[in-house]
Amino acid sequence: QVQVVESGGGVVQPGRSLRLSCEASGFTFSNYGMHWVRQAPGKGLEWVAVIWYDGINKYYADSVKGRFTISRDNSKNTVYLLLDSLRAEDTAIYYCARDSGNYRRPDRWGQGILVTVSS
Amino acid sequence: QSALTQPRSVTGSPGQSVTISCTGANSDVGGYKYVSWYQQHPGKAPKVIIYDVSQRPSGVPNRFSGSKSGNTASLTISGLQAEDEADYYCCSFVAAYTLAFGGGTKLTVL
Repeated sequence: QVQVVESGGGVVQPGRSLRLSCEASGFTFSNYGMHWVRQAPGKGLEWVAVIWYDGINKYYADSVKGRFTISRDNSKNTVYLLLDSLRAEDTAIYYCARDSGNYRRPDRWGQGILVTVSS
Repeated sequence: QSALTQPRSVTGSPGQSVTISCTGANSDVGGYKYVSWYQQHPGKAPKVIIYDVSQRPSGVPNRFSGSKSGNTASLTISGLQAEDEADYYCCSFVAAYTLAFGGGTKLTVL
């Protein structure tokens, strides 16, 4: 069955960097786009970024553009999110999700990984 | 990307129907047929229950239905059950392959 599993979260100081990973299984990874979506504690969902199946096209939310970088390694069935210049407001659960197939919505979600930005 | 507007909470009794609205603009909800709805129980990952405005994934009960008029999409849950108590989020495709979520609606089943 389709599974995506996030890793790499933790506590990080403001201004520092962190790289999240998301390993996928149960489907042909190289055929699908992948999304990152985050949820601040007690708040709603916020779309963060998407990367196309081939890793060439990438799109970001305005709130993270220039600070976060999405990438993928199709040989490892893994998508990454590099979080730079972290701020307290980046504290959230970060979900990785497979795209539906036409870049219109996240389809299958992981359980999420918590990132806490604090000194 | 601006967040779409949803009511913060709705309440219903078992067996009743409730409707949750999701208001956007011509550049998102009104401009595309790509509105989806997600159900999220506490501590769990979101799950898609409606996509492309009114389509239901396999396994989702037909008590859940979606529609759209102009810049407002709606999710209707009929025959409310206790297990429907959750947070619900709308999501719309926006130009340039970005997405926008609504602020979320907490459904309470009395």
